[in-house]
Amino acid sequence: DAGITQSPRHKVTETGTPVTLRCHQTENHRYMYWYRQDPGHGLRLIHYSYGVKDTDKGEVSDGYSVSRSKTEDFLLTLESATSSQTSVYFCAISSQSQGWNGYTFGSGTRLTVV
Amino acid sequence: KNEVEQSPQNLTAQEGEFITINCSYSVGISALHWLQQHPGGGIVSLFMLSSGKKKHGRLIATINIQEKHSSLHITASHPRDSAVYICAVRSIMDSNYQLIWGAGTKLIIKP
Repeated sequence: DAGITQSPRHKVTETGTPVTLRCHQTENHRYMYWYRQDPGHGLRLIHYSYGVKDTDKGEVSDGYSVSRSKTEDFLLTLESATSSQTSVYFCAISSQSQGWNGYTFGSGTRLTVV
Repeated sequence: KNEVEQSPQNLTAQEGEFITINCSYSVGISALHWLQQHPGGGIVSLFMLSSGKKKHGRLIATINIQEKHSSLHITASHPRDSAVYICAVRSIMDSNYQLIWGAGTKLIIKP
């Protein structure tokens, strides 16, 4: 009953190959986010979505694309993976209810680009 | 300069000690979050504050909007409190519930 699941949990891929990470939620939350976490940088926003087919760029969006064709799924694609995209990727969801903006995070995907 | 600064970056303490982690920010905010990330990687939301003080078990979070500062306190610390504690704020200029993140404070509690 995690409410949010990421897949895969771990992936090793070669430079230049496409990679897609999936975030799936069962909470029917409007907002979904993709972050990457690297040592010394904390969490950095890659892309986010504020509804089906509504997405926007975050601070580190270069080299990444996203799609949200239905409420429950938010996909992050690395069109041509590079070593600089080796990182831990977190998906998060949030809802709005009377001003409360709680966030729930997925367990993360550890991606290694070799 | 980062918009959200945490201090200290690293903190090691003995079991039972009172712990304080600080967060300062430079933007106008509508909310401040404290989150916890355990060594296994999972991130858990601890508190969301817009004013005053909140308490949950041994954790206390305070915020001073005028001084743009928040603190997270842990009373009677325990080795299981060892984690990275992250402060994040939502700017009043934001309409899509994005957060501005601090770099985190790594806390180690020794038995």
